[in-house]
Order: sequence, then C-alpha cells, then structure tokens
Amino acid sequence: GEDVEQSLFLSVREGDSSVINCTYTDSSSTYLYWYKQEPGAGLQLLTYIFSNMDMKQDQRLTVLLNKKDKHLSLRIADTQTGDSAIYFCAVNTGGFKTIFGAGTRLFVKA
Amino acid sequence: DADVTQTPRNRITKTGKRIMLECSQTKGHDRMYWYRQDPGLGLRLIYYSFDVKDINKGEISDGYSVSRQAQAKFSLSLESAIPNQTALYFCATSAQTEAHTGELFFGEGSRLTVL
Repeated sequence: GEDVEQSLFLSVREGDSSVINCTYTDSSSTYLYWYKQEPGAGLQLLTYIFSNMDMKQDQRLTVLLNKKDKHLSLRIADTQTGDSAIYFCAVNTGGFKTIFGAGTRLFVKA
Repeated sequence: DADVTQTPRNRITKTGKRIMLECSQTKGHDRMYWYRQDPGLGLRLIYYSFDVKDINKGEISDGYSVSRQAQAKFSLSLESAIPNQTALYFCATSAQTEAHTGELFFGEGSRLTVL
C-alpha cells in the first residue's frame, strides 16, 4: 500500500535553514502537503503542492517536488525558535484518503 | 472558539471500560474523520464519514466504532478499552468543495490512556 517516510528528528541553530525530507511510494499522488503540529495542538496545514508543480515558495517556506524520485522537501529559511514543532509530510491521490508520514520533530537551538 | 472541538481532551481509564470521544465542528463540512497518532507512526485513519448516512472503516477500525449523530457531530467509541489503544486521537474535517486541496482541519486532540 501507500507509504510515506520521513526522518524523525532534525536539529538546527536559530537563523539557519532547515530542510525536512520525505519520500512516498504512490506515483499517483495528486496533492502533497506539509502539516505542522505545535505542542498540545492539532495539525495545521502549512503548505501544499500540486503534483504538476516542481516548486512552490511562500515567504520563508520552499517546497520542492521531485516526482521521478518521489521525493518532497520543505525548506524553512531563517529558522526561528517558534518553528520548533513536528512537521508531517502527507500525500493524497485525489480522493478522500490522505496518508501521513511519521512526522519530523524540528528542534531549533537558540 | 475552535472550529473543531474534541471532548474530553484527556482521559485515563481502565482496561475493559467503554469510552466515547466526541467531536463537533462549526465549519459546515460534510466530511469527518477520526485519526490515531502514535509516536513514530504518524497518523492512521480509524473511520471516516462523508455525510450522516455514510460511515466507512479506515485502516485500523478494529476495536472502535463511530456514530455520526448530525452533520456537525462525529463520535468515536471504544467498547472495551485495551492498553494498546493508549494514544492521541484526532478528529478532522474537510469540505467536499475543497477537493482541489484536500485540506484537513484538525481538532486539538484527545489523549487517552488505558491502564
């Protein structure tokens, strides 16, 4: 079945860039997402990219999609302590079903 | 107030007890979901409902049941709780008209501990 994999931890220094990577197996994935979960809260959509795009930029966030390698990445520029959270990669094949990765916990050191 | 509200936020119970987690939403969405979050496993879908008369099993429905009492309410029940159902449970909604993004809107979660 579909699978989404991402590393569990990432630690960066404040002001550096963070890059969170994700791989997925379903080549028919239509929408690909990054959700953010802050402590004690539910998940919130951070950004998404449609499968016919290679890149999407939104302020400090850059999403890169490599469909050939089934690889999705999220780059956060000028990472701040407020960016500390769990980041989930998720994919959707256009129906109801969204498959989530295990989440990457981002630690930002001051 | 939150658009998707879950109660209770925290619950500790004993093995064999019946537990109900409730979810209500003010977003007017037709689609509602229950997910379970376990460390290192991400979110897994338990049940989903596209409208009041439509209930479907997700990938890990065994040991759980649901009820869609109204468009705005979707409850999850554990008929006889067991320790491996200790987890963080999330309710989520989505709008059929937002199919171009498929965005899910989550509640704040219900942490359940089964002793």
